[in-house]
Amino acid sequence: GQQLNQSPQSMFIQEGEDVSMNCTSSSIFNTWLWYKQDPGEGPVLLIALYKAGELTSNGRLTAQFGITRKDSFLNISASIPSDVGIYFCAGQLGGNKLVFGAGTILRVKS
Amino acid sequence: GAVVSQHPSWVICKSGTSVKIECRSLDFQATTMFWYRQFPKQSLMLMATSNEGSKATYEQGVEKDKFLINHASLTLSTLTVTSAHPEDSSFYICSARGGGPQFFGPGTRLTVL
Repeated sequence: GQQLNQSPQSMFIQEGEDVSMNCTSSSIFNTWLWYKQDPGEGPVLLIALYKAGELTSNGRLTAQFGITRKDSFLNISASIPSDVGIYFCAGQLGGNKLVFGAGTILRVKS
Repeated sequence: GAVVSQHPSWVICKSGTSVKIECRSLDFQATTMFWYRQFPKQSLMLMATSNEGSKATYEQGVEKDKFLINHASLTLSTLTVTSAHPEDSSFYICSARGGGPQFFGPGTRLTVL
């Protein structure tokens, strides 16, 4: 079945640093989504990407839909303590189902 | 933005009892709703997909007689865990989609004693 490889698995960074994480797949997707999940909460949508090559920003977050449609990255600039959480990428091909990455745990040292 | 609610946020029940979890899309009509299960430190595992007015489609390995899903309206889906056992203890999350991306509810923590 389809699988997403998300990396890194975890990051422990200094407040103010930039963060980069990515997802790759052996299959193509028509949509890439990035979610953030806080402990005990449901995932919150950060950015949705619908077109190969698309680069979209949401405040300090920037994500890109890879030109091959098999990868996506998420960058967070100037990290702050509230950026702490688990970030998930998700790919969607046509139908309704999402395929999720394993998540990137982000910890920020203030 | 799109808001999805879940109720209850947590529930503790005795083994053998049934538990119903509600998922509502508050400000949009959800043609499709999804139910996920999440174990600690793991990603979300899709259990089933439901379209309004039709039977849910269950993922392989998910018992449809144990996890009953009803999607009676465009804003409400329910998941009933029947005859719950301790191994059913988990974090259950719903999501809803109305043509755009999936928006997730806040989750329900189920603990079966």
